[in-house]
Amino acid sequence: GESVGLHLPTLSVQEGDNSIINCAYSNSASDYFIWYKQESGKGPQFIIDIRSNMDKRQGQRVTVLLNKTVKHLSLQIAATQPGDSAVYFCAERSAGNMLTFGGGTRLMVKP
Amino acid sequence: GAVVSQHPSRVICKSGTSVKIECRSLDFQATTMFWYRQFPKQSLMLMATSNEGSKATYEQGVEKDKFLINHASLTLSTLTVTSAHPEDSSFYICSASQQGYSNQPQHFGDGTRLSIL
Repeated sequence: GESVGLHLPTLSVQEGDNSIINCAYSNSASDYFIWYKQESGKGPQFIIDIRSNMDKRQGQRVTVLLNKTVKHLSLQIAATQPGDSAVYFCAERSAGNMLTFGGGTRLMVKP
Repeated sequence: GAVVSQHPSRVICKSGTSVKIECRSLDFQATTMFWYRQFPKQSLMLMATSNEGSKATYEQGVEKDKFLINHASLTLSTLTVTSAHPEDSSFYICSASQQGYSNQPQHFGDGTRLSIL
């Protein structure tokens, strides 16, 4: 099933602080998870991905954590910058390379 | 990196008009492309999977005669919204994965904002 929200939850952080965005996924058979960043009027932009045989993966300033026991995914952004302000979506992949998107979280960075 | 281009970026037209949106993979070949629809403050909802050389696969509730998809080459898929009405106004986004690289993430176009008057 999908997670579609009528109202995007918002996370407001101070510039320089760390941000943590959470996501619950639904399909225990999903083998691949991706975080996307979407700025206003644009398409989703790939941030980081993780396979189901891993529980943590790090990129530049970003870390993704996967907890398969509770079907939970999180995105951590270190030293959040104003340019990080956007809507963040998690997505899970199922058969046929199809993606199911989470409801999204709006990140607002205060200078 | 893989680039997906969508055209046009914005369309405003009268009710009853048919609108064609193009999705191109610029530097890779894509056997499969995906079409999504996004309403304001909502997530992306998959409409259909576009397969090169064969019929598209539509998600439940999406009218195939309303949203015509053609994937005539490995770099181009088109979505035609036929006889568009105000309720079809939305943000339409396509994505593609590189052929033979199913373990890579989908790359998205920048979307088409469709406004039906």
